[in-house]
Amino acid sequence: KAGVTQTPRYLIKTRGQQVTLSCSPISGHRSVSWYQQTPGQGLQFLFEYFSETQRNKGNFPGRFSGRQFSNSRSEMNVSTLELGDSALYLCASSETGANVLTFGAGSRLTVL
Amino acid sequence: AQSVTQLGSHVSVSEGALVLLRCNYSSSVPPYLFWYVQYPNQGLQLLLKYTTGATLVKGINGFEAEFKKSETSFHLTKPSAHMSDAAEYFCAVSGGNQGAQKLVFGQGTRLTINP
Repeated sequence: KAGVTQTPRYLIKTRGQQVTLSCSPISGHRSVSWYQQTPGQGLQFLFEYFSETQRNKGNFPGRFSGRQFSNSRSEMNVSTLELGDSALYLCASSETGANVLTFGAGSRLTVL
Repeated sequence: AQSVTQLGSHVSVSEGALVLLRCNYSSSVPPYLFWYVQYPNQGLQLLLKYTTGATLVKGINGFEAEFKKSETSFHLTKPSAHMSDAAEYFCAVSGGNQGAQKLVFGQGTRLTINP
């Protein structure tokens, strides 16, 4: 089975722009979660989607949003980018009822 | 609510020596506990997990961890370090099966192996 695939792997944006990151889960996995990793705040939970519905949300401003499609692929969007949004964004998927996440390699966002 | 504290942001050991990475947790519900490893420019790879049952859990690459409820600890050990073990290690807790996808991570411990 292919792993969790995230695109793009690297991107550079400027303040005020918006960005969309994509995540393709492992085939058959219906739950997709997103995490932000920064040197200062560490790994923080953003949100989780299951069957196209947001099931859990972390403590992030409304500029951070996501969605999940019927094929379980997920996207997250960050609008009005700030310097502090520079981070590695990790996507993880899991099987229904499972308690283990499989992570992708991440999308590294740099905001200038 | 859950929280995780990893004692020591950097740990350095000699090749062949014991590896001990410390993790203490706080959880208002019976916890699920995990150790993940991250190599440079990569995502997180699961080393091992504790959900229920046996408190000593074995993982990949020779690592193991013991769940001690009385001490609220889940320390990671490996008897003999290899150079390939150099990486960053994260302990994480989730709120049981109801919130398994919402992990709370510790700040990480960077492990360096000296030849």
